[in-house]
Amino acid sequence: GQNIDQPTEMTATEGAIVQINCTYQTSGFNGLFWYQQHAGEAPTFLSYNVLDGLEEKGRFSSFLSRSKGYSYLLLKELQMKDSASYLCAVREKAAGNKLTFGGGTRVLVKP
Amino acid sequence: NAGVTQTPKFRILKIGQSMTLQCAQDMNHNYMYWYRQDPGMGLKLIYYSVGAGITDKGEVPNGYNVSRSTTEDFPLRLELAAPSQTSVYFCASSDHGSGEPNYGYTFGSGTRLTVV
Repeated sequence: GQNIDQPTEMTATEGAIVQINCTYQTSGFNGLFWYQQHAGEAPTFLSYNVLDGLEEKGRFSSFLSRSKGYSYLLLKELQMKDSASYLCAVREKAAGNKLTFGGGTRVLVKP
Repeated sequence: NAGVTQTPKFRILKIGQSMTLQCAQDMNHNYMYWYRQDPGMGLKLIYYSVGAGITDKGEVPNGYNVSRSTTEDFPLRLELAAPSQTSVYFCASSDHGSGEPNYGYTFGSGTRLTVV
């Protein structure tokens, strides 16, 4: 089985930077995903890491350390529209390409 | 390109009633999934399918059934609805092995179900 932990809620100011941490325990790691979910909507894909290191995509970056079972999502130059939940999800080396999701981190961006 | 289509978007059921949540995808994805999301929580896997005729249980399958007679469709059946099944249900698909670099999911827009 898997255990995925991320903070419940974070608050930041428009224009600032926020880092959302995710720790996981898994028997066979095969990739980590970050999804963004606005209230009342479906999750949308943000980033994917399978090797250690940093993946950068515009204002969003994601980091992975497999030895530490740790990832973070970095949101830079925060905008009001970034207020959403951010879901960390881990894929195991098992049939079905299944993702196990953390509980999500709700980010509130204030003016 | 419709992607993953879920119907209905909203539904209120009485305790003990049954219903089927529909999910269809037009991307020829072989893998499909049903998740539920309770308020303020992450997604929990109910059932999944790796191809037509093949289904398997996820983390929270009790009270649900699925079928996969075609690649496109993956309906979720609720028998004897209970208040504990009040949730938002998401269907998703992925195309494992197609050359996509990360085999991420494409989600439907969700079905908000209330059991009273």
